[in-house]
Amino acid sequence: RKEVEQDPGPFNVPEGATVAFNCTYSNSASQSFFWYRQDCRKEPKLLMSVYSSGNEDGRFTAQLNRASQYISLLIRDSKLSDSATYLCVVNEAGNKLVFGAGTILRVKS
Amino acid sequence: GAVVSQHPSRVICKSGTSVKIECRSLDFQATTMFWYRQFPKQSLMLMATSNEGSKATYEQGVEKDKFLINHASLTLSTLTVTSAHPEDSSFYICSARESPGINEKLFFGSGTQLSVL
Repeated sequence: RKEVEQDPGPFNVPEGATVAFNCTYSNSASQSFFWYRQDCRKEPKLLMSVYSSGNEDGRFTAQLNRASQYISLLIRDSKLSDSATYLCVVNEAGNKLVFGAGTILRVKS
Repeated sequence: GAVVSQHPSRVICKSGTSVKIECRSLDFQATTMFWYRQFPKQSLMLMATSNEGSKATYEQGVEKDKFLINHASLTLSTLTVTSAHPEDSSFYICSARESPGINEKLFFGSGTQLSVL
């Protein structure tokens, strides 16, 4: 079983749509969680950290369920510029970052 | 904000040659830098953790004699792919933290696309 699993997609959505990505992780000792965005052949960029209480940053909402070892990212009012690969990232015990393979989002006009 | 510079951005080389990739933290001191490899449509895989002034810690399955890491200063880490072969063709990315805290933001270099012919 992969340490961090994501639906690879692609998710093809129209502009303005709401889309949700899910992620599960296997290590229950994981300490912190993030969503990164990666454009093709570019470096990943931090989108947002994920907190147990859930957190929102503009059109983006992240949630964490430690009991189910599940993380989600919700994007509202999708823009063309949101098209990218979204990486679920888990910081395991020992300060090691583990990346999911990513979920591809394509927003179309 | 903190910036990590990675050079070169793209390398094409013949099989058997060695390739050096540099990773520099431009406006902060990074006691720890990380090297990742990413194959097409796959996740970033941590190769090694580079600590300034000491030997790098390699992940399981990564050959330390093939992927030489040097972290001689607080702002520079290098990865040398020795005797590169076509299967080493990949996207290599470095990253660095300003401090060792688990929630501390990780800054990435822009990556190096290595193609071995």
